[in-house]
Amino acid sequence: ETVMTQSPGTLSVSPGEGATLSCRASQSVSSNLAWYQQKPGQPPRLLIYGASTRATGIPARFSGSGSGTEFTLTIVSLQSEDFAVYYCQQYNDWPPYTFGQGTKLEIK
Amino acid sequence: QVQLQESGPGLVKPSETLSLSCTVSGGSIGSYYWSWIRQYPGKGLEWIGYVFYTGSTFYNPSLKSRVTVSVDTSKNQFSLKMTSVTAADTAKYYCARGSRDGYFGDHFDYWGQGAMVTVSS
Repeated sequence: ETVMTQSPGTLSVSPGEGATLSCRASQSVSSNLAWYQQKPGQPPRLLIYGASTRATGIPARFSGSGSGTEFTLTIVSLQSEDFAVYYCQQYNDWPPYTFGQGTKLEIK
Repeated sequence: QVQLQESGPGLVKPSETLSLSCTVSGGSIGSYYWSWIRQYPGKGLEWIGYVFYTGSTFYNPSLKSRVTVSVDTSKNQFSLKMTSVTAADTAKYYCARGSRDGYFGDHFDYWGQGAMVTVSS
């Protein structure tokens, strides 16, 4: 099973600034990685798939990069609605599909 | 706009069977992979398994012995059964649509709102 590890656990950033979230896979997952955003009381929302392709309707301030074992989600110019928990998920080595433990992006 | 809605009991007794259904609206259940994913109170996400519209399935090896996912295309629904539940199965259960990336696996582009299931006597 491929273990996904996200860092940091919590990231405190001021609105208007940028944020960089990391996800590491225990073995190569090529570019078969997705990012999700989850707000309290809501299901996860797909942001990025294929490591770098934005899902439909996702603003351009969200971008994904990386391949193999190291991945990054970058959010520029943080808006109030961006403060949430972010998860990565690999779909290269399955079953099972596996998720990271999440990074909470909070307002500084 | 595709919408998914989970339904089923919110309380299940230990050793009994958890049963949930997911109704898909706004689109056909055909040609996609339909998954169940759960989220523990501590927020971790665990993929349970999927069913294709043809009825073929794949399960998380850690749950395979207790889980059955099935599809009813006539009702645009798919279902989850999990046997011999314990308190460790207490979680929010989501149904989700998987979109296949080429020859690889699925990312999940539509999710239901989730159904909280508590296992307790």
